[in-house]
Amino acid sequence: EAQVTQNPRYLITVTGKKLTVTCSQNMNHEYMSWYRQDPGLGLRQIYYSMNVEVTDKGDVPEGYKVSRKEKRNFPLILESPSPNQTSLYFCASSFQSRGDGNQPQHFGDGTRLSIL
Amino acid sequence: TQLLEQSPQFLSIQEGENLTVYCNSSSVFSSLQWYRQEPGEGPVLLVTVVTGGEVKKLKRLTFQFGDARKDSSLHITAAQPGDTGLYLCAGAGSNYQLIWGAGTKLIIKP
Repeated sequence: EAQVTQNPRYLITVTGKKLTVTCSQNMNHEYMSWYRQDPGLGLRQIYYSMNVEVTDKGDVPEGYKVSRKEKRNFPLILESPSPNQTSLYFCASSFQSRGDGNQPQHFGDGTRLSIL
Repeated sequence: TQLLEQSPQFLSIQEGENLTVYCNSSSVFSSLQWYRQEPGEGPVLLVTVVTGGEVKKLKRLTFQFGDARKDSSLHITAAQPGDTGLYLCAGAGSNYQLIWGAGTKLIIKP
């Protein structure tokens, strides 16, 4: 089954304790992206990757890191989480390329992160 | 900066009524996508409109792309409780990244 898998689904942690949210897709998509979703603000892009070893900042990259060492995996790293990073996070992938923004994005089921 | 304004933010109506959700921008998009998101899940694509003036139908849902490709609408006829969810529009911007609307939370009461 074609899917984007995020782990964990839920995490409660404390300020400053490094954490990683994993994302894996099995559709051979080149493009992957991380979003955060907050009430009234919609989806805001954190980082995206057009291909292996190629990552770019989205609209709200501060406080986050990503890596793309393999095509299927795109982990999101919070080196020193703070309460304002409490949010619902989504990973997405697609066949999108620089010449084609019309491709649909396939989303994981989300990770609800609470930073105390 | 390209922005996509979505309205209304929230809509609660009775089963059987019709409704329209709007996405508006001052920018031109090469395409526009509509997604539906249910609680505990990620957004799922409903439709992509590409051509100015294009109309697509998905059962009781009608999607339209404006002639100038700056706006789009989603019309639901005879809404059902199963239509309840968060509806999101996303336009493909100048750098082919998606610009997202803030979403419309739709509740259909039986």
